[in-house]
Amino acid sequence: AQTVTQSQPEMSVQEAETVTLSCTYDTSESDYYLFWYKQPPSRQMILVIRQEAYKQQNATENRFSVNFQKAAKSFSLKISDSQLGDAAMYFCAYLNAGNMLTFGGGTRLMVKP
Amino acid sequence: DAGVIQSPRHEVTEMGQEVTLRCKPISGHNSLFWYRQTMMRGLELLIYFNNNVPIDDSGMPEDRFSAKMPNASFSTLKIQPSEPRDSAVYFCASTIQGTRGYTFGSGTRLTVV
Repeated sequence: AQTVTQSQPEMSVQEAETVTLSCTYDTSESDYYLFWYKQPPSRQMILVIRQEAYKQQNATENRFSVNFQKAAKSFSLKISDSQLGDAAMYFCAYLNAGNMLTFGGGTRLMVKP
Repeated sequence: DAGVIQSPRHEVTEMGQEVTLRCKPISGHNSLFWYRQTMMRGLELLIYFNNNVPIDDSGMPEDRFSAKMPNASFSTLKIQPSEPRDSAVYFCASTIQGTRGYTFGSGTRLTVV
């Protein structure tokens, strides 16, 4: 079974600054996908970014980018120019070949004005 | 597209009562997942269906929990009898098998008193 670990229960960042959220995972598969989801207080699960394991290029979505290190099984999320609306819980998730999604424990991000 | 629709949004019930949570997946999606989110255990996969057939229910906590998908547009998660430790947010998600993209509903917050 796969496991996903987020070692930072809480992170804080100043508005307009950059923050990086960490995620590591354990798997013996070679074909998988990785995701970052955002969960604001409304509790809606919002897809932030996704990365295919077979792609070496790191995914980017506007202010959000990832640092995918396949050999190290690391998948961190960088948020640039942080905004107040970025404050939320962030979950790293692993999707296996059987289409089952496993989540990390989450990181609560606070953004200071 | 209305997205994945869950009802009710909130449910408060007394211990021992039967609770039924409902989910309508996105039209055309053929995989459906039920997740439970608690502070202690995070997001856990309870069960998932492909083409209305249960594929993996190993995450269902005990016999008090049951899930059905009578057709492609409707699924239920039932707890009978409910207990206070079942209090959680229950999410439904759907996808097209093989596309690697989940869409989550807004969740049902269940409180058992």
